[in-house]
Formats: sequence, C-alpha cells, structure tokens
Amino acid sequence: ETGVTQSPTHLIKTRGQQVTLRCSSQSGHNTVSWYQQALGQGPQFIFQYYREEENGRGNFPPRFSGLQFPNYSSELNVNALELDDSALYLCASSSTSRIGTGELFFGEGSRLTVL
Amino acid sequence: SQQGEEDPQALSIQEGENATMNCSYKTSINNLQWYRQNSGRGLVHLILIRSNEREKHSGRLRVTLDTSKKSSSLLITASRAADTASYFCATPNTGGFKTIFGAGTRLFVKA
Repeated sequence: ETGVTQSPTHLIKTRGQQVTLRCSSQSGHNTVSWYQQALGQGPQFIFQYYREEENGRGNFPPRFSGLQFPNYSSELNVNALELDDSALYLCASSSTSRIGTGELFFGEGSRLTVL
Repeated sequence: SQQGEEDPQALSIQEGENATMNCSYKTSINNLQWYRQNSGRGLVHLILIRSNEREKHSGRLRVTLDTSKKSSSLLITASRAADTASYFCATPNTGGFKTIFGAGTRLFVKA
C-alpha cells in the first residue's frame, strides 16, 4: 500500500453535473498530481499541485480544476460533465516539486461513469 | 510532448517464461521509470533508471536504457501468473514538471 487514499472509489453522474474527487497524499509528500485514465489507455496528466499552488497542467479544459490544502490533501473538480469524462481518475503524490524526477505513489483511483 | 510508447501492446506467455517489454521515447530524459497496474487498480512503481545508467536490476526485473536509441526494455524473468498486469514506462517532460506515461503493455501469464 502506498498510503495515498482516494474517495469515492466509484461514482455515477449524468451529463452536465459536477463532481468532486478527493485525495489524501502519503505522509511527508507535498506534491500531488492527478491523472485521467480511459479504459485500455495510459494515464493522462491533468495537473500538479505543489504547496497549494498549481505548477503544471496538461491538455485539459478549464472545467477541470483542483485544490491542494495545507495538509497537502487535494481535490479534483470537474464541471459540466461529458460522456468522455468517464474514466479512472488517479491521484499520485511525491516528495519533490519536480515530479518528473522521482517516484510517484498512486492511490487506487476513483472510477467515474457519466451517463 | 515526449512520451514513452510501449511495445508490444499485448503479450501472452506461459508461467516460467521470460517477458520482455520495450519502450521508446522522443526527447532527451534524465530518468525513465516503469510502473505496473493490476486491472482497474492504481499504478505501482517498479524501478527508476537514470540517464547515466545502462542497466538496473530489482529481484526478477531487469531494466536497460539506451539513450542513443531513446529506448528502454523491461525484462521479467521466470514469469508467474501473479505478474499478469499492465506495464507502463514513464518519462519526465521537458522542464520535468510532469511524468508522462505510454499506453502500456498488457501482459498475461498463463498458469
């Protein structure tokens, strides 16, 4: 186990709704990144937070937003849900701000289905 | 953006055989990582190899890195049914603020 926990594990929403996914990072880790993984594909980088500020973003529209809290836990918010948002959302924590230089510790993911 | 691409997309072998997966990437990197994912679960870090390393071992895993060919390979020796999973290579982007994953190799080990 990595010590990274995500909630909820599964959820179903309808198009146009909003969703909030939560992540508690591993103790001592100050960097959190979020990934979207569609079925049969690799994880796609959404964004990264370091010390409560977004410091990197992938090719996702503004309706994907996030927060990091003083205890380094994090939220991913998605507004105006679309069918293509159905995916496994993965949170990963790390102890470095330059996340590409070190190991990522992943949670088990939140499986979102949009109907 | 640079990205690792794994080959083959899928691999089916018998228990006890060796499994080799390859990864190619596009631009210079300072490290390359391999991760494993059981179906529908989170990813688990397996091994990190730095650009100044050519080979690294961890248990039954052997990773090689050829920076001149921009490629890496992951060898799992004496495969077990429990090795059935998807395997991803991951590289940092230019600037290093994000880790980019390939599409993965799906390994199936038959008992």
